[in-house]
Order: sequence, then C-alpha cells, then structure tokens
Amino acid sequence: DGGITQSPKYLFRKEGQNVTLSCEQNLNHDAMYWYRQDPGQGLRLIYYSQIVNDFQKGDIAEGYSVSREKKESFPLTVTSAQKNPTAFYLCASIRSRSTESFFGQGNRLTVV
Amino acid sequence: GQQLNQSPQSMFIQEGEDVSMNCTSSSIFNTWLWYKQDPGEGPVLLIALYKAGELTSNGRLTAQFGTTRKDSFLNISASIPSDVGIYFCAGQLVYNQGGKLIFGQGTELSVKP
Repeated sequence: DGGITQSPKYLFRKEGQNVTLSCEQNLNHDAMYWYRQDPGQGLRLIYYSQIVNDFQKGDIAEGYSVSREKKESFPLTVTSAQKNPTAFYLCASIRSRSTESFFGQGNRLTVV
Repeated sequence: GQQLNQSPQSMFIQEGEDVSMNCTSSSIFNTWLWYKQDPGEGPVLLIALYKAGELTSNGRLTAQFGTTRKDSFLNISASIPSDVGIYFCAGQLVYNQGGKLIFGQGTELSVKP
C-alpha cells in the first residue's frame, strides 16, 4: 500500500541536542513538506522540496535543516538553535500539479 | 508568513446539529481544500475545490469555493460524535511552489451526544 511514514511517533531529547525526524513516502510524489503544529496556531510551513536535491525555506525555517537526496525521503533536523522545539511535526507529500496530498501520522517531539 | 483566517476557532454542538465554518484570505488561491485531523494523527483530505463558485459535497459535508477566490466555507449537516476533531482549510497554488499548502488555524469541533 502506498503511503507516507513518519517514525517514531514520540521522541524525547535533551535540550541542546540535534534530532532528525524521518519522512518516507512511496507514492512517487515529487513535492514534500514539513509543517509544525502548535495548539491554536494551525500548521506552519518549515521547509518544502519540489524535486530531489532542491528545497526551499518556509515561514519558520530558523533552527531547522532538511535534505532531499532521494525522492522518497525528506528528513528534518531540529537543531539546538531552535528555541522552542517541543511540538507536533507533520510531513506531507503532494503529487505535482494536483491536490492529491497525504500527511504522515506526525512526530511528537518533546525537548526537556 | 501567509496564513488564512479560519473561524470559529472552536465549536461545541449537540449531536444532530448542523455546523458551518469559513476561511478567508488576502490572497487569491486557485484551489481550496478542507482537511480533518483526529487527535494525534495527521490531517486527512475531505474535499478539494477547483474553481470559483464551485459547490462540492462529500456525504454530510458540503464545501464552497468563494466567488472572489479568497474564501471558502464548509458545512457539516446532522453532526455525529465521530465528527469530533480539528478541521483545517488550506489554500493551494497548484502550479506554483510545488503546490504549497497554506493552512488556516483550524476549527476544533466538539459534539455532545
């Protein structure tokens, strides 16, 4: 079955440590996105990628980094420079020139 | 950054009641979408709207693409307990920026049996 996978569901990290969230899709979608969700603030775009080896900053990219070495994978690194990293992170993929979109189940990151 | 204005932020209704929520933007979109998010899960696409004035239904859900292309509405008729969740509107520029989705803040729906 085609889909988009984020794992693990729950992560705990100590303050000052980097953490990488994985996102894998087998839908053959070109575009992939990372969103951050905080209560009452909807989904805010962190980074997105339209094609392999290319990505663009979203609205809240500071303190985050990404890579897109393969079409299927778009990992997000939450660096120690991110001042408030505890949040729910959602990855999505979209077929080009289409509304066909799927979200992963999310990563709930807690930094202590 | 861009964000849509979605209202209301939350609703508490009785089972069987109808629900309406809306989304407005200062920018024009060529596609509007409505998603539902269950607690602790990713959003799932409910309805996609492709042209101004379009009215589309999906079961008890009906959504409309505003004629100005800057707003959209979602109605849920005869609500049931499983309608509980957060509903998001999203505007999309399908042919630009990889089809980037811009989201509203969400409407949290609670249904009392």
